[in-house]
Amino acid sequence: KQEVTQIPAALSVPEGENLVLNCSFTDSAIYNLQWFRQDPGKGLTSLLLIQSSQREQTSGRLNASLDKSSGRSTLYIAASQPGDSATYLCAVWGGSYQLTFGKGTKLSVIP
Amino acid sequence: DTAVSQTPKYLVTQMGNDKSIKCEQNLGHDTMYWYKQDSKKFLKIMFSYNNKELIINETVPNRFSPKSPDKAHLNLHINSLELGDSAVYFCASSQDSGSATYNEQFFGPGTRLTVL
Repeated sequence: KQEVTQIPAALSVPEGENLVLNCSFTDSAIYNLQWFRQDPGKGLTSLLLIQSSQREQTSGRLNASLDKSSGRSTLYIAASQPGDSATYLCAVWGGSYQLTFGKGTKLSVIP
Repeated sequence: DTAVSQTPKYLVTQMGNDKSIKCEQNLGHDTMYWYKQDSKKFLKIMFSYNNKELIINETVPNRFSPKSPDKAHLNLHINSLELGDSAVYFCASSQDSGSATYNEQFFGPGTRLTVL
């Protein structure tokens, strides 16, 4: 059974810092990995999707990498801003045709 | 403009009642999902429908019954509500349900259900 772990559970950084969020998964037989952002009381916003054949994806200040063989992904956020404060969720789409989520990393960017 | 919409946004009800949550997507996707986010913010799949047919039914009490009248709608009916059903329920959709590597899921805003 696929399990997804995100470390750290919470992270607080000063504005302007670059930061890395980590995600690991136990079953490397995945089709893709998706990073989401969730603001308090809101739904999920898809940030990046990395297909199993890809190594990384970039969108603006965000860069996500995927190492399928080792079961790891990272989300790199450059020059963090207070507006980046949210919970970041990692999810993998695997052979069971369902999205399995981690518990998220709660990010606070301090002005 | 909303891609995936849910109604209602908030639902407060008494134990034992029956309630429904509606979901609609205007993305032309073939597959729709229901997820439950518990008090610890953990998201877990409940159901998945592809072209109006059930393809995933996780270990969910049979008090929960999804209904898909057409590809664009997936409603969730809950009978005999219990305190433990209190959670946020998210609807989502994607183009495909199978092995497509580009199977991005889009989520609705969520319905916060409180059972008293």
